[in-house]
Amino acid sequence: ETTVTQSPASLSVATGEKVTIRCITSTDIDDDMNWYQQKPGEPPKLLISEGNTLRPGVPSRFSSSGYGTDFVFTIENTLSEDVADYYCLQSDNMPLTFGGGTKLEIK
Amino acid sequence: QIQLVQSGPELKKPGETVKISCKASGYTFTNYGMNWVKQAPGKGLKWMGWINTYTGEPTYADDFKGRFAFSLETSASTAYLQINNLKNEDTATYFCARDTTVVGGYMDYWGQGTSVTVSS
Repeated sequence: ETTVTQSPASLSVATGEKVTIRCITSTDIDDDMNWYQQKPGEPPKLLISEGNTLRPGVPSRFSSSGYGTDFVFTIENTLSEDVADYYCLQSDNMPLTFGGGTKLEIK
Repeated sequence: QIQLVQSGPELKKPGETVKISCKASGYTFTNYGMNWVKQAPGKGLKWMGWINTYTGEPTYADDFKGRFAFSLETSASTAYLQINNLKNEDTATYFCARDTTVVGGYMDYWGQGTSVTVSS
């Protein structure tokens, strides 16, 4: 089973600042990493899929990079509407495994 | 548009059984697998497994083998999650989520979630 270690668990930034979230996997997963946003009371929303592919309709301030075991998710110019929990998900092998999540707050 | 609509909240006692439905629309049901994800109160997401909607074959994560069952009603484009012999630790919101392929990949569209509360 591939373990996904996500950091930080929480962060607080001012609007306009940059957010960086990291996920490290215990096995090489190529570029099979996905990133989800979950707002309170809502289901997760897919933002970025395998191959660091931004999903249609997702603002370009969201991006990701990484290959192998080290992956980074970035929000440029954070807006108040970005307050949410963020999760990475590896889809290289079963069982699919999520990172522990990052809670983003705005100062 | 693609939609997954889940059944409503459930309040159950320990030892009882619950069956959650997930009705899909806006796409060909058998062309994409269906995943199930658990989120305990205040906790993160945990993948429970998925079902191949073309063959009906389920795959369960280790923590969800035994009391959990995925099934389909293909004619109604509906997937089901049944949990038997409910325990307090089954209290959670359960999501269905469409897979991007029929053979297993990642999840793109999600249902709204079904809250299950287990309490005596």
